Amino acid sequence: ILNVEQSPQSLHVQEGDSTNFTCSFPSSNFYALHWYRWETAKSPEALFVMTLNGDEKKKGRISATLNTKEGYSYLYIKGSQPEDSATYLCAPTPNTGNQFYFGTGTSLTVIP
Amino acid sequence: DSGVTQTPKHLITATGQRVTLRCSPRSGDLSVYWYQQSLDQGLQFLIQYYNGEERAKGNILERFSAQQFPDLHSELNLSSLELGDSALYFCASSGGSIEQFFGPGTRLTVL
Repeated sequence: ILNVEQSPQSLHVQEGDSTNFTCSFPSSNFYALHWYRWETAKSPEALFVMTLNGDEKKKGRISATLNTKEGYSYLYIKGSQPEDSATYLCAPTPNTGNQFYFGTGTSLTVIP
Repeated sequence: DSGVTQTPKHLITATGQRVTLRCSPRSGDLSVYWYQQSLDQGLQFLIQYYNGEERAKGNILERFSAQQFPDLHSELNLSSLELGDSALYFCASSGGSIEQFFGPGTRLTVL
């Protein structure tokens, strides 16, 4: 079982603000890092999968970076919109298998 | 819509009872995963099946069991239910890639 930490636990930002949050995970036995977006009353939806140190992925206003040597990933949202309000989960996958170990998430609320 | 289906959507039962949750993976996906999300907790990995065989086990209680059938659908059996088993249970599936696709979940309430 991996110890995954996400910070902050929750975040309230104004519409138009940019924001970022962190996922920390053990750097040993690392295989991949997943980011999921989880809206209330829906199921988690995959955003990114990253495997290589220095990987950077982008989808619209959302981007993520990965540092496998120090065991962290950042998720950035540029110009937050109310529809970005959700819980953002990260999940590292160890190289011993493809089970996910989810962090408790960062709950983002974008205030119009 | 991820292509993963779960039934039932909601389930209300009493302590001591036994329930079965069902999951149908995306067409062609051989792996099925079960997760539990309790109040104020993150998604906890329970168990993984691959093509009918158990592949990995997480924080699954002995009162819980799962199986994957030849048609690849999976069932999670929860027995001797306790109040603390009330949670949202998700199933996810994956195919050739490591990405997992989640179903809509089953909300279990134990009274």
